[in-house]
Amino acid sequence: DAGVIQSPRHEVTEMGQEVTLRCKPISGHDYLFWYRQTMMRGLELLIYFNNNVPIDDSGMPEDRFSAKMPNASFSTLKIQPSEPRDSAVYFCASSFDSGRNEQFFGPGTRLTVL
Amino acid sequence: AQSVTQLDSQVPVFEEAPVELRCNYSSSVSVYLFWYVQYPNQGLQLLLKYLSGSTLVKGINGFEAEFNKSQTSFHLRKPSVHISDTAEYFCAVSGPVLMDSSYKLIFGSGTRLLVRP
Repeated sequence: DAGVIQSPRHEVTEMGQEVTLRCKPISGHDYLFWYRQTMMRGLELLIYFNNNVPIDDSGMPEDRFSAKMPNASFSTLKIQPSEPRDSAVYFCASSFDSGRNEQFFGPGTRLTVL
Repeated sequence: AQSVTQLDSQVPVFEEAPVELRCNYSSSVSVYLFWYVQYPNQGLQLLLKYLSGSTLVKGINGFEAEFNKSQTSFHLRKPSVHISDTAEYFCAVSGPVLMDSSYKLIFGSGTRLLVRP
């Protein structure tokens, strides 16, 4: 398996633009997580899905952020409109079955909003 | 709610020396504990985890950690480090065990291990 795949790896955009980050989880995994990593706040869980259904989105910072998982092999995190304070590395992770199991992380998307 | 404290933001150590990275957690219920490693420009990778049973847990790359319930600690150790161990190390907790919230990982702020020749 290729592991968790994220695209793009780097994204530079201007304030006010829409940004879409993409994630392909490991095949067979039924949990998908979106994290944000910044120097100031560390690693934060934004939202997670179980069997394509959002379970907890309490970490989503604002209504400008939205996430979808239309099928078991694809998820998106959208920011509209983007702001400079959204600059961060966004990670997608997937896991199988339960909280006892390892979460496998993708390589991340480094987002810079100018 | 659970929380994780990693008091050391950076730990410099010479190659082949032993190292301990400290982690303390706060929780009134049983939790799962994890150590992840992040190499530069990469995602996180699991080093080891404690679910139950033996308090000494062995992981990959020669790392081990000991769960101490009375001190609510889960310190990571390696008897002899290599240059290649230079990375950021994150302690994480999830729980309560067997509840829906156990799927959420709460991370510490991370400790940068800097191994010098």
